[in-house]
Amino acid sequence: KAGVTQTPRYLIKTRGQQVTLSCSPISGHRSVSWYQQTPGQGLQFLFEYFSETQRNKGNFPGRFSGRQFSNSRSEMNVSTLELGDSALYLCASSWTPPSISYSPLHFGNGTRLTVT
Amino acid sequence: ELKVEQNPLFLSMQEGKNYTIYCNYSTTSDRLYWYRQDPGKSLESLFVLLSNGAVKQEGRLMASLDTKARLSTLHITAAVHDLSATYFCAVDIQKAGNNRKLIWGLGTSLAVNP
Repeated sequence: KAGVTQTPRYLIKTRGQQVTLSCSPISGHRSVSWYQQTPGQGLQFLFEYFSETQRNKGNFPGRFSGRQFSNSRSEMNVSTLELGDSALYLCASSWTPPSISYSPLHFGNGTRLTVT
Repeated sequence: ELKVEQNPLFLSMQEGKNYTIYCNYSTTSDRLYWYRQDPGKSLESLFVLLSNGAVKQEGRLMASLDTKARLSTLHITAAVHDLSATYFCAVDIQKAGNNRKLIWGLGTSLAVNP
């Protein structure tokens, strides 16, 4: 059974640009959550999607957005990149949304974004 | 402010020794998760603790939850090099409107030396 797939693995962008990251969940999982991981802040919750609907959102500026498609694949977009957006972006899928009930999160390997 | 504090943040220990990682949290919760992250890899679920007094064991790792003290521990017995990784706890908080939210600790980076 294939795991959570995130693409690309690495990205280098310059300030002001925008970026789109992709996540394909485990087959059958309909919930996708996104996290930003940095050494100083740890894992910070970005969004949670279930059946194409955003169920939960973290405390990030409007430059961060996401969506989920009918096949449960998800994308997140960051516009007008800032140096502080450099981080590992992790996607996790689960059977049910963590905001509703317990369901283990299965994480992808992440996309390492560097903003210069 | 909701806080999840892990300590220590860095731990270097010798093979064969025992040690405990602590996860304190600042609000009521009855669910807590432990994850492991190997360098350059993703997070992997270790334990789910769903009630006060819950104890789970897998190999040399044992996790427990005390909801009254708002404390979870991850105990390492007779450490081996393969346990070198970063360990995260995540606390499941119920918010208004019946929504739940995970709050993560910063992680404990464990290095087990020969």
